[in-house]
Amino acid sequence: DTGVSQDPRHKITKRGQNVTFRCDPISEHNRLYWYRQTLGQGPEFLTYFQNEAQLEKSRLLSDRFSAERPKGSFSTLEIQRTEQGDSAMYLCASSIKEGGSEKLFFGSGTQLSVL
Amino acid sequence: DAKTTQPNSMESNEEEPVHLPCNHSTISGTDYIHWYRQLPSQGPEYVIHGLTSNVNNRMASLAIAEDRKSSTLILHRATLRDAAVYYCILRDPSGSARQLTFGSGTQLTVLP
Repeated sequence: DTGVSQDPRHKITKRGQNVTFRCDPISEHNRLYWYRQTLGQGPEFLTYFQNEAQLEKSRLLSDRFSAERPKGSFSTLEIQRTEQGDSAMYLCASSIKEGGSEKLFFGSGTQLSVL
Repeated sequence: DAKTTQPNSMESNEEEPVHLPCNHSTISGTDYIHWYRQLPSQGPEYVIHGLTSNVNNRMASLAIAEDRKSSTLILHRATLRDAAVYYCILRDPSGSARQLTFGSGTQLTVLP
């Protein structure tokens, strides 16, 4: 399967703990995005990488959140000192240019529950 | 990016065509119109995108109004697997913001 892969699919943690999610994009895609989605809402943009450079961060990405893409391949999203409000689906996407614009391919997401 | 307006929900019968509308009256000349859909418990899936001309692919057709202030996603024969939330999104590839901005979308229910 050459799609976007996210690990783990589900994570349950206690408030105050740190969690880390991994995303493996489609190999030839140099752009990688992180989104967050809560129940009943559309995905909200968090951050974006072009190769290993983090080029844009949303105001939603508080100081407790950090994302890396060290070699321009896989990416990690870490949340420190988790809060109940962090409970959400965390989605990763990679993209290619096509037809004058950009086409995103999403993974199945990591569902985070903070107790 | 300019905003889009979509109905919250729509219903369709199986094997009939579905027309999903999207209004984008503040669209700029360089905004592309993108459609994604999201099936339950999955990430969004690309459906189609276009700029000015109507577009067809194996999944759907995109009909763009002449003034580009609205567009319609057409599923030619709805199946039960097409039940999903459909998002209409505008994006300017030459703009500073690279991300897609999702709204609430249209929840499509397909009735057997």
